[in-house]
Amino acid sequence: GQQLNQSPQSMFIQEGEDVSMNCTSSSIFNTWLWYKQDPGEGPVLLIALYKAGELTSNGRLTAQFGITRKDSFLNISASIPSDVGIYFCAGQRLMNRDDKIIFGKGTRLHILP
Amino acid sequence: DAGVIQSPRHEVTEMGQEVTLRCKPISGHDYLFWYRQTMMRGLELLIYFNNNVPIDDSGMPEDRFSAKMPNASFSTLKIQPSEPRDSAVYFCASSPKVLYNSPLHFGNGTRLTVT
Repeated sequence: GQQLNQSPQSMFIQEGEDVSMNCTSSSIFNTWLWYKQDPGEGPVLLIALYKAGELTSNGRLTAQFGITRKDSFLNISASIPSDVGIYFCAGQRLMNRDDKIIFGKGTRLHILP
Repeated sequence: DAGVIQSPRHEVTEMGQEVTLRCKPISGHDYLFWYRQTMMRGLELLIYFNNNVPIDDSGMPEDRFSAKMPNASFSTLKIQPSEPRDSAVYFCASSPKVLYNSPLHFGNGTRLTVT
């Protein structure tokens, strides 16, 4: 089945550092999504990307839809303590009306005191 | 808007017992999804409904799992009999329409522990 390979699995950084994570697939996706999950809560959508090459920002977050449509990255600038959590990439092929969203296994972001 | 509401938040049960997880989607959303989250496998889609009709249940692990959506405002996921390997966080999510340009709204999950 389709799989998304998300890396790194976890990151330990200092507050104020920039963060970069990415997601790759062997299949083409027509939509890339980035979600964040805070402890004890469900994932929440951060950024949605719909066109190859698209670069979208949401505050300190920036995400890009790869030209090949097989990858995407998420950058966080000047990290703060509330950035801690699990970041999931997700993709959707949209080959038919009911195409499912596929999730990566997540990148766990830890901020060192 | 109250968001997607799941109950209970935590469930601890013994192996062999029946477990029922409940979900109330956001009013007006046509799609409802059940996901399971574990450290090893991440977020797995179990089943989803469109207008109360199951569309794809290929992610349901085995016959011990069943899901129903008797009306637009309520869904259940049942495990019978439960096993320790079913321990996970189960999320319900809803979406207003086909997923393009329409994000999933997740509940806060039910953490299931089967001893």
